[in-house]
Amino acid sequence: DAKTTQPNSMESNEEEPVHLPCNHSTISGTDYIHWYRQLPSQGPEYVIHGLTSNVNNRMASLAIAEDRKSSTLILHRATLRDAAVYYCILRALGGTASKLTFGTGTRLQVTL
Amino acid sequence: DGGITQSPKYLFRKEGQNVTLSCEQNLNHDAMYWYRQDPGQGLRLIYYSQIVNDFQKGDIAEGYSVSREKKESFPLTVTSAQKNPTAFYLCASSMGRVNTEAFFGQGTRLTVV
Repeated sequence: DAKTTQPNSMESNEEEPVHLPCNHSTISGTDYIHWYRQLPSQGPEYVIHGLTSNVNNRMASLAIAEDRKSSTLILHRATLRDAAVYYCILRALGGTASKLTFGTGTRLQVTL
Repeated sequence: DGGITQSPKYLFRKEGQNVTLSCEQNLNHDAMYWYRQDPGQGLRLIYYSQIVNDFQKGDIAEGYSVSREKKESFPLTVTSAQKNPTAFYLCASSMGRVNTEAFFGQGTRLTVV
């Protein structure tokens, strides 16, 4: 399975934009890029996913590099409630299409 | 409401005992997953199932067993062979297709004393 690399932690001030990077240099052409986040003592929740084009939803935006070897999750205005661990994962087509493997993620701290 | 339910939220067991964690979903999802999370760490995949009566080992299956007799249910048994069973266990489900999201339960915190 293709792997992802994320910084261990990042900090942001409240109401400022946050750009969370993810490297996936071994991504294959059919891998989808998914982002989840996990608040303390809770299960992860889905944030966004994409294949090639940039994606927007009510929670965030996903910017995917043209070569697809990296992506960036963008929180447009961080709030204290966005403090969480953010996971970037790849979902692959093929015999193990439904395998869902997480890395260690990026812990985002948001301060006033 | 549709969702995925794990029970119990907290579980205590004596060392050497098997224990079964429950995971039920009413989302009509084909795929279900079990993860283990240790303090300050990411999620590690224990087992996953793509369809009823079928399941595959994840990255850390040793000391665990599962069954998938019904689409809605995917119980996890932590056996006495698991050397460090104390952890936070998370169950998830999805349609199984790569462009769909997964939904997670609220987790079971297992403590073995």
